[in-house]
Amino acid sequence: DVKVTQSSRYLVKRTGEKVFLECVQDMDHENMFWYRQDPGLGLRLIYFSYDVKMKEKGDIPEGYSVSREKKERFSLILESASTNQTSMYLCASSWGQGDQPQHFGDGTRLSIL
Amino acid sequence: LAKTTQPISMDSYEGQEVNITCSHNNIATNDYITWYQQFPSQGPRFIIQGYKTKVTNEVASLFIPADRKSSTLSLPRVSLSDTAVYYCLVGRRDDKIIFGKGTRLHILP
Repeated sequence: DVKVTQSSRYLVKRTGEKVFLECVQDMDHENMFWYRQDPGLGLRLIYFSYDVKMKEKGDIPEGYSVSREKKERFSLILESASTNQTSMYLCASSWGQGDQPQHFGDGTRLSIL
Repeated sequence: LAKTTQPISMDSYEGQEVNITCSHNNIATNDYITWYQQFPSQGPRFIIQGYKTKVTNEVASLFIPADRKSSTLSLPRVSLSDTAVYYCLVGRRDDKIIFGKGTRLHILP
């Protein structure tokens, strides 16, 4: 069974801090994704990656960056956290993109104070 | 990128069959239709995927008419534990997929 593990379930940080959210998958999937989920807005794609050291912007990349140094690990970085980045962050992985199911972690609920 | 439209919310009762319809009028020839389920405080979980006609697995059935401009997720004999948000997505291998706001299904006793 595919396992996508996000490093923290809950995280509290302060405005201006640099924040790292880590995600690891154990199925050798090529593709990894970061989403944020806010009430009434559904899931919005922040960044995705098709391969090691490759990244593509999603719909809302502003204020975020990502790193994929190893195939199994995809990190989301908030360069200087702001209160409007308080959200639930979800990581996913898959073999493909549109036609292959994505497997999600349980999310990190991030609060920026 | 094919856009999807589905009801914001639905209520049903335990033991009934629930059908959630999704519209995707500009679906492309190579697009697949995929449904996910999300419980509170969890990530979405893949339920079922199809291209045309009917697909069935142990959880649900997916009905896709010939013109493929809509699809219907059917959940047989729902229970309270089927209360969740259900997302309909359309996409293909060379394209990113977009999650909409989903349908919030509430099962009543």
